[in-house]
Amino acid sequence: GAVVSQHPSRVICKSGTSVKIECRSLDFQATTMFWYRQFPKKSLMLMATSNEGSKATYEQGVEKDKFLINHASLTLSTLTVTSAHPEDSSFYICSATTLDSSYEQYFGPGTRLTVT
Amino acid sequence: KNEVEQSPQNLTAQEGEFITINCSYSVGISALHWLQQHPGGGIVSLFMLSSGKKKHGRLIATINIQEKHSSLHITASHPRDSAVYICAVPNYGQNFVFGPGTRLSVLP
Repeated sequence: GAVVSQHPSRVICKSGTSVKIECRSLDFQATTMFWYRQFPKKSLMLMATSNEGSKATYEQGVEKDKFLINHASLTLSTLTVTSAHPEDSSFYICSATTLDSSYEQYFGPGTRLTVT
Repeated sequence: KNEVEQSPQNLTAQEGEFITINCSYSVGISALHWLQQHPGGGIVSLFMLSSGKKKHGRLIATINIQEKHSSLHITASHPRDSAVYICAVPNYGQNFVFGPGTRLSVLP
């Protein structure tokens, strides 16, 4: 089946620094990738929708200048958390859809970000 | 927005027991996902199903589109099955709405 990878799986950074998380579709082309965030003991919440070659669409309440999303190719989307703060510590997950089916989504394993 | 509920919220079972986790949603869908989240946070996609039933090893997932309900069953449960199980259903467009998860603990 289709595989989505995320890198890194865990990252610890200091307040004020920026962190980049990569989401890759390994064996298929993903026209659309989604970024989700999970707060402790909460469900996953959609942050933004990323389409290849265009600007991401952010959900209400998500700061686009804080969470920079780039989808430069059909196999790679990146999420950069800029000027990270401890409250940005969370679990970030991406998912990707193939060209031919909007509901066949493939989930990445997630990235745990800890900001100290 | 599609509303997703899961039951039970928490479940403790003895090794070997048959386990059922339920998911219900409010808006008709074309496909539903079951995900497993391990204690470290990593997500594994277990099933994507749009009708009937699917089986992978000791895991069985069923869906009833008319009743807007899906179940995940684990046969002969094992402590390594301990995880949070999440169902996800499509929202408008292509993104998903996730259920709150069911935390399963299987005791040896």
